[in-house]
Amino acid sequence: GAGVSQTPSNKVTEKGKYVELRCDPISGHTALYWYRQSLGQGPEFLIYFQGTGAADDSGLPNDRFFAVRPEGSVSTLKIQRTERGDSAVYLCASRPQGSGANVLTFGAGSRLTVL
Amino acid sequence: KQEVTQIPAALSVPEGENLVLNCSFTDSAIYNLQWFRQDPGKGLTSLLLIQSSQREQTSGRLNASLDKSSGRSTLYIAASQPGDSATYLCAVLMLTGYSTLTFGKGTMLLVSP
Repeated sequence: GAGVSQTPSNKVTEKGKYVELRCDPISGHTALYWYRQSLGQGPEFLIYFQGTGAADDSGLPNDRFFAVRPEGSVSTLKIQRTERGDSAVYLCASRPQGSGANVLTFGAGSRLTVL
Repeated sequence: KQEVTQIPAALSVPEGENLVLNCSFTDSAIYNLQWFRQDPGKGLTSLLLIQSSQREQTSGRLNASLDKSSGRSTLYIAASQPGDSATYLCAVLMLTGYSTLTFGKGTMLLVSP
């Protein structure tokens, strides 16, 4: 596609449920990032993929959060046993290989609300 | 750990005014600094990128400056328009690490007609 696509755009779930958020990067972009933006805050880094592997997952807040990118394109962010504090907009971004991090293209985000 | 602060948190101005948004960062070992615009329900749009060796960048009515030694950047918007209403985010890229951006909390700008 022309841009980074994220689905769902909105997700409402109950505390304790499992959630998956999907990111379709721009075709051919090898690097993929996940950020989380809570209300009134700037985006915070979660995890960075280079190809299929997670090059840096230091931003994942705890072991309830996990992300995969099995074929080096689409990525899924998985959240187990959701808590109200997980409510936020989850942003995905991608860039081509060899470019600096600032050539990121961001998706519109997935807004997660945990009741 | 790098911390990025943006002042003010919110700003409301009448159309036509010139305005300045401020960004400060605690660790001056940055590779570059970038200003983004965020509209409700939309992704981030890059406005200006300043390399650590540069002092300023301009694009249309926007001018961004960087004083790396003092850890500060400003975004100047000339002749503001209602269409400029959005949240403006400052982000820095460090010299080390896996090329992740550290963002400020943003300044929410409202330009009234």
